[in-house]
Amino acid sequence: GAGVSQTPSNKVTEKGKYVELRCDPISGHTALYWYRQSLGQGPEFLIYFQGTGAADDSGLPNDRFFAVRPEGSVSTLKIQRTERGDSAVYLCASSDSGGRTDTQYFGPGTRLTVL
Amino acid sequence: DAKTTQPPSMDCAEGRAANLPCNHSTISGNEYVYWYRQIHSQGPQYIIHGLKNNETNEMASLIITEDRKSSTLILPHATLRDTAVYYCIVRVEDYGQNFVFGPGTRLSVLP
Repeated sequence: GAGVSQTPSNKVTEKGKYVELRCDPISGHTALYWYRQSLGQGPEFLIYFQGTGAADDSGLPNDRFFAVRPEGSVSTLKIQRTERGDSAVYLCASSDSGGRTDTQYFGPGTRLTVL
Repeated sequence: DAKTTQPPSMDCAEGRAANLPCNHSTISGNEYVYWYRQIHSQGPQYIIHGLKNNETNEMASLIITEDRKSSTLILPHATLRDTAVYYCIVRVEDYGQNFVFGPGTRLSVLP
């Protein structure tokens, strides 16, 4: 079946601009996670949704970062006043919290470049 | 901080078994060992996980020591497509528990 999809695959923006990154989880998965991966490092947790609500946003680096999941499916990560340090690959993962285990399935990521 | 220690890189000849070690000496009784891998320019891919018994699936085998302080991921017949960064992660088996990734092991399968 279809896996986790993310759009766009690449996003180039200028410092100070606003960006939105979209994640389509696996159908039926109620849990959704956002991670950020800088070059040469492992992914770093940002935020976790259970259904429509953000159950854990402790990984968001500052208040320029915000994420929503209004209908409990698609999620959007929003970054205001982008900075060059925000350049990274943003990964989304989903899991079936009704299942026996919480294996997370990752999308291909969105590569964000802030000039 | 990641709770695991892995060698930064390893090489393996194509067709041979790749044995990737992981140390997790501070693992708690309710923490599972997960393995993911990340092929260049792709998202991490789930491989296998286990608690204390050895596990095997179509991709790999996971061998966990009796004291659970270390484990080994075994790819029985490595192919060039197995070249990737392999991450060993310990995590409580509960929803909402994010994965804490370390730098992983970069496995290069050589022809």
